[in-house]
Amino acid sequence: QKEVEQNSGPLSVPEGAIASLNCTYSDRGSQSFFWYRQYSGKSPELIMFIYSNGDKEDGRFTAQLNKASQYVSLLIRDSQPSDSATYLCAVGGFKTIFGAGTRLFVKA
Amino acid sequence: EAQVTQNPRYLITVTGKKLTVTCSQNMNHEYMSWYRQDPGLGLRQIYYSMNVEVTDKGDVPEGYKVSRKEKRNFPLILESPSPNQTSLYFCASSFEAGVSLETQYFGPGTRLLVL
Repeated sequence: QKEVEQNSGPLSVPEGAIASLNCTYSDRGSQSFFWYRQYSGKSPELIMFIYSNGDKEDGRFTAQLNKASQYVSLLIRDSQPSDSATYLCAVGGFKTIFGAGTRLFVKA
Repeated sequence: EAQVTQNPRYLITVTGKKLTVTCSQNMNHEYMSWYRQDPGLGLRQIYYSMNVEVTDKGDVPEGYKVSRKEKRNFPLILESPSPNQTSLYFCASSFEAGVSLETQYFGPGTRLLVL
C-alpha cells in the first residue's frame, strides 16, 4: 500500500516566522509531488508542484524535494494569519495519494 | 469562469437508496477524479478517468461506480449507499501534461449523510 505521511499538527508559528511542513512517501518510483492548501470548509487549492530534486520557489513558498530520502517539504516565509489552513501533500500522477494534512496556525 | 461544479452540495439519504452525484467541468480537461475526505484520513481517491470511456480504480473504489461518456461529465454513483459512505466528496479535473498531471482543480464538495 502506497503511503504519504504528514505530521497532523497542529503546527503553531508566530506571524512573520517561517513555517516548515514535511511529508514522506513510500513509493520510490513517484515522480510528481504537490502541495495543496485547504481552508476549513473549502476545497483544496494548489500551492506548488515539484518534479525534480532540489528547491522550487514561488513568492513566500519554497518546496523542497529529496527523492533519495523520499521526503518533500514546504517552507512558508513571513507567515501570515491568512496562511492558517490545512496543508495537504500529494504524491503521484493519475493515481494520486494524499497525506492526511498538517494544520497550521499563524498567530498574529 | 473556469470551474468544476458538483451537485447536489448536500444530501441526506437512507441506506440502500441509489444516488448519483454529478460532476461537470468547463475547462476541456481530459483527466477527472473523485475523492472522499474523512477526518484524520485526508483525501482518498475513489476512481479516476484519463479520458472518455477510460476509467480506473483509486484506493477506495468499493461501493462506487463511475462513468465517463462525455469529456465534461464524470458522475459518481452509489448503487446501495451504506452509513460508512457518509463523507465529504470532491470531484477534480486536470489537464494532462505528458506523463504527469498539471494541478488538479477541485469542485466545491458534496457532503453526504447516509442514515
